[in-house]
Amino acid sequence: EPEVTQTPSHQVTQMGQEVILRCVPISNHLYFYWYRQILGQKVEFLVSFYNNEISEKSEIFDDQFSVERPDGSNFTLKIRSTKLEDSAMYFCASSEVWVSNQPQHFGDGTRLSIL
Amino acid sequence: DAKTTQPTSMDCAEGRAANLPCNHSTISGNEYVYWYRQIHSQGPQYIIHGLKNNETNEMASLIITEDRKSSTLILPHATLRDTAVYYCIATYSGNTPLVFGKGTRLSVIA
Repeated sequence: EPEVTQTPSHQVTQMGQEVILRCVPISNHLYFYWYRQILGQKVEFLVSFYNNEISEKSEIFDDQFSVERPDGSNFTLKIRSTKLEDSAMYFCASSEVWVSNQPQHFGDGTRLSIL
Repeated sequence: DAKTTQPTSMDCAEGRAANLPCNHSTISGNEYVYWYRQIHSQGPQYIIHGLKNNETNEMASLIITEDRKSSTLILPHATLRDTAVYYCIATYSGNTPLVFGKGTRLSVIA
């Protein structure tokens, strides 16, 4: 069964450094998402992306965050200058676009640890 | 999206059916009910979704009441691997941002 893959599984970064989290969505999906989950808290929506532009974003997704689809397969989340509070699990998801009630499928996440 | 309410935790004996309730009394006519689960900090895993009719797939069954104000996810023969947090989400479309609550922590006991 096709799946969303995320790399790396664990990223350790010094505060203030830039970090890029990578995702390969399911191949025929055209809607992409990033969510995050701080340890012990709820899964929170960050941003959705369709047709090479952001569709929706949450208040969390400020100017320090950006997303990109650099080629036909990858979808990335960049945090420009990391803060301690960015430490969390980051989940990528994708969904089909042609039928509106198709579910989002999630990857297993990248654990981001900011030191 | 309509707010959903779920019990904080439930236990189920291995091999028995696990019935997880969800209340969504303010759901509108074109909102779907989606169920996801999260096993120990893995990514949320899609289980099933429905609008009005009951649904069944290889993982579970979804029973939606006639007035659509509540639903029940049924895992027919729970195994230890079904221990997870289960989320019930009401949303207009699978492509809109999912709003996760705290879910129900299901513990399957041997």
